[in-house]
Amino acid sequence: NAGVTQTPKFQVLKTGQSMTLQCAQDMNHEYMSWYRQDPGMGLRLIHYSVGAGITDQGEVPNGYNVSRSTTEDFPLRLLSAAPSQTSVYFCASSYSTSLLTEQYFGPGTRLTVT
Amino acid sequence: AQSVSQHNHHVILSEAASLELGCNYSYGGTVNLFWYVQYPGQHLQLLLKYFSGDPLVKGIKGFEAEFIKSKFSFNLRKPSVQWSDTAEYFCAVKTGANNLFFGTGTRLTVIP
Repeated sequence: NAGVTQTPKFQVLKTGQSMTLQCAQDMNHEYMSWYRQDPGMGLRLIHYSVGAGITDQGEVPNGYNVSRSTTEDFPLRLLSAAPSQTSVYFCASSYSTSLLTEQYFGPGTRLTVT
Repeated sequence: AQSVSQHNHHVILSEAASLELGCNYSYGGTVNLFWYVQYPGQHLQLLLKYFSGDPLVKGIKGFEAEFIKSKFSFNLRKPSVQWSDTAEYFCAVKTGANNLFFGTGTRLTVIP
């Protein structure tokens, strides 16, 4: 299994541009989520999905959209990039939404918005 | 609101020194607790987790953590650190099916 994969690894955007960060998992996990990691702030949940066709907002959803058309894929869209969205983005998945399951993280996408 | 506090932002130790990283959380209900490690340039990996039972849990690479419910704490320990333990360590608390809250992280630097 490849686990959780993310593309691209690095991206530079200009303010106002849009782009999609890709995330895929091959473990047949129900639950997928997106976090952003900023210095001194840990990881903060952006959006999550408990299954195909179901998404919900996390702690910091503004400026981001998600969709979950398949179990495997959970792309994160930046509609109009802003410098405040400069961050490292991690996708994670877990087998179920049960309290007892751990999350597996992807390698991250480092995004810079100028 | 739930929160996770890691009071040590940066810890510097010599090899073979003992390590203890603090983690406190604010939530009165049932929690599951995790420590993740992020080596330089890599993604987060699970070090250990507590779900129930023995409050002293052992993880990979000689790490252990103790859950003290009365203190809302889940401190990470290792008796003797190695240079390869240099990384950032994150405590995380799961309070519900979809809620995983992370601390701000502690950067550990081990000097050979």
